[in-house]
Amino acid sequence: QVQLVESGGGVVQPGRSLRLSCAASGFTFSSFGFHWVRQFPGKGLEWVADIWSDANKKYYADSVKGRFTISRDNSKNTLYLQMNSLRAEDTAVYYCARDDLNIGNALDIWGQGTMVTVSS
Amino acid sequence: QSVLTQPPSVSAAPGQKVIISCSGSSSNIGNNYVSWYQQLPGTAPKLLIYDNYKRPSEIPDRFSASKSGTSATLGITGLQAGDEADYYCGTWDNSLSAVVFGGGTELTVL
Repeated sequence: QVQLVESGGGVVQPGRSLRLSCAASGFTFSSFGFHWVRQFPGKGLEWVADIWSDANKKYYADSVKGRFTISRDNSKNTLYLQMNSLRAEDTAVYYCARDDLNIGNALDIWGQGTMVTVSS
Repeated sequence: QSVLTQPPSVSAAPGQKVIISCSGSSSNIGNNYVSWYQQLPGTAPKLLIYDNYKRPSEIPDRFSASKSGTSATLGITGLQAGDEADYYCGTWDNSLSAVVFGGGTELTVL
């Protein structure tokens, strides 16, 4: 079935790095753009970054620009989020989501989320 | 502070109707499609509405939405206990070159 499965979350010290992965299955990965969206504990959604289907364009939230890098490997059907210089305020559940051009770029498929905790 | 403004909470009795508003500007709602997402407790968000008012096939017609100018609304009729969730509006912002979400509205079915 169509699904996204995130992995790579965990507890990390401030200033360190972490790489999240999002494995896709059940559809043609290379035909879609993808986003990372995070949710702080008990709070709303915050968009983090997105990447087009051909990886030619990437966009980032100001809060992560210069520290996070979104990438994809179409041969492995996998989306990544490299997070460097992590801060306590990056603590959140991170979701990957599929972007469907055909439905106004709505995020139609979401993963289950992976928790990232930045703490000393 | 979210770019899109939603009421923090709404409530209504079972069987009743509720409306959730989402206010933005010309750089976001005014010139882009709006989506709505439902997040049940402890789960990932789920797409409820796309292209301002369209529903994925699995979403019942109790859920409807519209957009006018720089505002959008989500309506839910025949409220059920299972509708208790957080609801988010979202769209692209041309000035920020970013996806923006509302702060979320918590629906309570009394």
